[in-house]
Amino acid sequence: AQTVTQSQPEMSVQEAETVTLSCTYDTSENNYYLFWYKQPPSRQMILVIRQEAYKQQNATENRFSVNFQKAAKSFSLKISDSQLGDTAMYFCAFMKHSLNAGNMLTFGGGTRLMVKP
Amino acid sequence: GAVVSQHPSWVICKSGTSVKIECRSLDFQATTMFWYRQFPKQSLMLMATSNEGSKATYEQGVEKDKFLINHASLTLSTLTVTSAHPEDSSFYICSASPGLAALRAKNIQYFGAGTRLSVL
Repeated sequence: AQTVTQSQPEMSVQEAETVTLSCTYDTSENNYYLFWYKQPPSRQMILVIRQEAYKQQNATENRFSVNFQKAAKSFSLKISDSQLGDTAMYFCAFMKHSLNAGNMLTFGGGTRLMVKP
Repeated sequence: GAVVSQHPSWVICKSGTSVKIECRSLDFQATTMFWYRQFPKQSLMLMATSNEGSKATYEQGVEKDKFLINHASLTLSTLTVTSAHPEDSSFYICSASPGLAALRAKNIQYFGAGTRLSVL
């Protein structure tokens, strides 16, 4: 079974600054996917970024980037130039690879991020 | 693209009644749908996985007779909370995994907006 751990229950950052959210996971799988989801006050889950474990290059999406360290089983999210709209719960999630896909997501406990003006 | 509609967004019901929550994939076919439960300030806990045309697979500790899941078509899955009680009050979220190979290969789940259930 897989486990995902987010060690920071809450974080805050000043607008325009950079913040890094931590995530570690435990798995015996070699091929898998990692995700960061954002859940704003509306509670709609929004995909922020996705990383394929077989790719060494870290994924980036505009202001969002990850630091994927496969050996250390670490997957942190860096948010640059933080904006007020980034205020949300952030969940790190793990999914096993499958040719048929349709696999479940295992979520971490979440980090509540507050961006301050 | 890849929109998932969940209805209703909020439902209040009396204890002992049953409530049905719908999850629809609007612009894609979803061979697999997932149902999650989220308590306040907590993470999402998977309740069950449903595949179109077959019985749902429930996670350990989830009562299948309490939480009935039907996935009768490639675009619709329903969760029925039977004989609801106050302890069933929670936020329920569905997600869908596309059947189209090109989308499925990305292993992305698309989420509905969730349903807040309040049982009085």
